[in-house]
Amino acid sequence: NAGVMQNPRHLVRRRGQEARLRCSPMKGHSHVYWYRQLPEEGLKFMVYLQKENIIDESGMPKERFSAEFPKEGPSILRIQQVVRGDSAAYFCASSPLSADSRGGYTFGSGTRLTVV
Amino acid sequence: DAKTTQPTSMDCAEGRAANLPCNHSTISGNEYVYWYRQIHSQGPQYIIHGLKNNETNEMASLIITEDRKSSTLILPHATLRDTAVYYCIVRGGNNDMRFGAGTRLTVKP
Repeated sequence: NAGVMQNPRHLVRRRGQEARLRCSPMKGHSHVYWYRQLPEEGLKFMVYLQKENIIDESGMPKERFSAEFPKEGPSILRIQQVVRGDSAAYFCASSPLSADSRGGYTFGSGTRLTVV
Repeated sequence: DAKTTQPTSMDCAEGRAANLPCNHSTISGNEYVYWYRQIHSQGPQYIIHGLKNNETNEMASLIITEDRKSSTLILPHATLRDTAVYYCIVRGGNNDMRFGAGTRLTVKP
């Protein structure tokens, strides 16, 4: 049973390009969460998605950032027109669907985005 | 969600118990306490969680005070591989977790 799979592990983009980060949740998990971690800082919540629905995007920057979790395929975090300040580690986590989802999240290994 | 307060850093001798405190004085009745750790730049790893009873698993023990305003994570026999940042999180009904700055635990030989 594979864990949460994120790819790519490392991504280098030039300023102004687009970055697409992918996250495949654990089998049987239908809740996905994205976090960003700037160098030497803690994890900051960005967005919480279920299949085809954005549940909470209160941590997403208002511009250039978007996320989706389609019916089929991985969740995608998309950053348009990247700037140097977007350089960070982006972590995805998943949890199972249950009436009382009190279990912990399972995190992926992250995508390290470097904007040059 | 309730805010948590943790010491910035702690040291522990290898083989000794590591006791990591967390204050969550504004916790409400339906909020759970979760602990995660992040080793170097890896993805966070779930350790344990609890509501009001003490909990134990193969990794750690969680002691929650009777008034639920604080808790302690105990690593019974710390090893060098337990060096990490430990996050205490209070999780509410909206089903997402907010991480604070955590405690940087350094296990020393």
